[in-house]
Amino acid sequence: AQTVTQSQPEMSVQEAETVTLSCTYDTSENNYYLFWYKQPPSRQMILVIRQEAYKQQNATENRFSVNFQKAAKSFSLKISDSQLGDTAMYFCAYDAMEYGNKLVFGAGTILRVKS
Amino acid sequence: NAGVMQNPRHLVRRRGQEARLRCSPMKGHSHVYWYRQLPEEGLKFMVYLQKENIIDESGMPKERFSAEFPKEGPSILRIQQVVRGDSAAYFCASSPRRGIGNTIYFGEGSWLTVV
Repeated sequence: AQTVTQSQPEMSVQEAETVTLSCTYDTSENNYYLFWYKQPPSRQMILVIRQEAYKQQNATENRFSVNFQKAAKSFSLKISDSQLGDTAMYFCAYDAMEYGNKLVFGAGTILRVKS
Repeated sequence: NAGVMQNPRHLVRRRGQEARLRCSPMKGHSHVYWYRQLPEEGLKFMVYLQKENIIDESGMPKERFSAEFPKEGPSILRIQQVVRGDSAAYFCASSPRRGIGNTIYFGEGSWLTVV
């Protein structure tokens, strides 16, 4: 079974600094997608960024970027110029052909941005 | 466009009662997914429905839980004879089609507390 592991239960960062959240996954599939979702205190799930396994180029969305290492099965999220509004739980998720929208989530990393 | 609408947002039930959670997908979306988030955990897939059909219920507990998505009206997740372990956040998501990489849009969740 596919698994997603987030090894950092909690992280802290000073406002305006950069932080990287780790995610590793286990799969034998070749084609799949990876996602980072943000869950702020309101508890809504918000898509931050997504990456297709076939694409070499790392995805970027404004201050958010990923470091996708397919061979290592690693998918880290980098947040630049951290803002107080980035304080949230961050979940890494995996979606494969055999599932099609049946996302497998990691346990999450709580990120606290300090002023 | 209205997003995925879930109600109620918060529901308190006594042990042995029934809980009904409703989900109206985004306009134009005919695929609905239910996920459960237990305290301190990531989301876990429960069931995937398309209008009038259950496509995949591999994540549903074998007893007391059922889901439907009728031709008209919202999708319903029904939990009979609730127990304390059912206390969780239940998220509904929707997408316009099936297939890996399609963005699925989450609702704000329904929080069930069993007392």
